[in-house]
Amino acid sequence: GQNIDQPTEMTATEGAIVQINCTYQTSGFNGLFWYQQHAGEAPTFLSYNVLDGLEEKGRFSSFLSRSKGYSYLLLKELQMKDSASYLCAVRPIRGTTDSWGKLQFGAGTQVVVTP
Amino acid sequence: GAVVSQHPSRVICKSGTSVKIECRSLDFQATTMFWYRQFPKKSLMLMATSNEGSKATYEQGVEKDKFLINHASLTLSTLTVTSAHPEDSSFYICSAGTSSTYEQYFGPGTRLTVT
Repeated sequence: GQNIDQPTEMTATEGAIVQINCTYQTSGFNGLFWYQQHAGEAPTFLSYNVLDGLEEKGRFSSFLSRSKGYSYLLLKELQMKDSASYLCAVRPIRGTTDSWGKLQFGAGTQVVVTP
Repeated sequence: GAVVSQHPSRVICKSGTSVKIECRSLDFQATTMFWYRQFPKKSLMLMATSNEGSKATYEQGVEKDKFLINHASLTLSTLTVTSAHPEDSSFYICSAGTSSTYEQYFGPGTRLTVT
């Protein structure tokens, strides 16, 4: 079956660094996404990893190890506006015309940034 | 980035009635739209994949006669919750994309409450 695990909640102070881990067991793998979701809003795209290694984009970085079924999202220089839920999502299979975008989501990690 | 809208943002209806939710891609043509359901503090659950001009593909366990999906054009998909019951109360989110990119663009979501 499909299983995507991430911690439920993490708390950190403004200016600090937080690392959100995600482990996955899926029937196939064709990419891992990280999304940010503020309460009552749609998820917004943060990063996409399909090959092993680290992808850096400003204050956010994402790492992938396919052999370990593991990814993390690193948030640096935390700001109050970073308080949100962070969703890890895996695209299990390479797409046919109607399945290219199917994603399996983790339950999300609620990050609370304190002053 | 691409913009996806949903209407309405919130709806309250009585048990037994039907509710239609619209999902529109405002500045691009979406070959595929996805409908998700999200319970509080839970993961997004894919309900169905909708390709323009063809029947939607439903995920296991999702009743296609209860959740009617129509994707009549490259910019509009609708989800109709028929004969709604209180257990259908949830946050419904659509996303849209094209098979030429890996990104999905999410709508802002619709909060459905069935009384």
